[in-house]
Amino acid sequence: AQSVTQPDIHITVSEGASLELRCNYSYGATPYLFWYVQSPGQGLQLLLKYFSGDTLVQGIKGFEAEFKRSQSSFNLRKPSVHWSDAAEYFCAVGANSGNTPLVFGKGTRLSVIA
Amino acid sequence: GAVVSQHPSRVICKSGTSVKIECRSLDFQATTMFWYRQFPKQSLMLMATSNEGSKATYEQGVEKDKFLINHASLTLSTLTVTSAHPEDSSFYICSASWRRGRDEQFFGPGTRLTVL
Repeated sequence: AQSVTQPDIHITVSEGASLELRCNYSYGATPYLFWYVQSPGQGLQLLLKYFSGDTLVQGIKGFEAEFKRSQSSFNLRKPSVHWSDAAEYFCAVGANSGNTPLVFGKGTRLSVIA
Repeated sequence: GAVVSQHPSRVICKSGTSVKIECRSLDFQATTMFWYRQFPKQSLMLMATSNEGSKATYEQGVEKDKFLINHASLTLSTLTVTSAHPEDSSFYICSASWRRGRDEQFFGPGTRLTVL
């Protein structure tokens, strides 16, 4: 069965500190992997995606993620967090993403303190 | 490009009434649209897959007679919550995918439904 695990429900980091959000997936075929961010009461914004090729993917807002097939992971990183990054982050996996639904992790809530 | 809109963004209704939520792809043709539901502080759960011109495919546990989905054109899918009850209160999000080629899904901004 397809599944996504985000082990950390809530993470708090200081502004300017580095960030890593973990994501592990279980998928029978070649996965298409995504990270989305959601602010309270808002929809989803795509941060980055991995389909194939270079396993280190650059996204918007200074985020990057690394696909590690051997570990079934797709962790999201940012070298220096800004207060505006406080939000809910969702990792998702799909097949040929256009025509199959995504399976989402439960999300990680990021809090940023001064 | 690749913008998906939802209307309304927020709706409050009385228990027993029906509510229609629209999902539109504004600048592309979407052969497939997906409807997700998100309860407070939880993840998105797929409700149904909607293909243009055919019946929607519902996930296990989702009542097709309660959540009516229509995908009559390549740019519009509607979700009607019939005889809504307070437990239907949730955040409903749609996504749409391109007609041709692989690509990501594009998500709408969501609709907050509150049933009193």
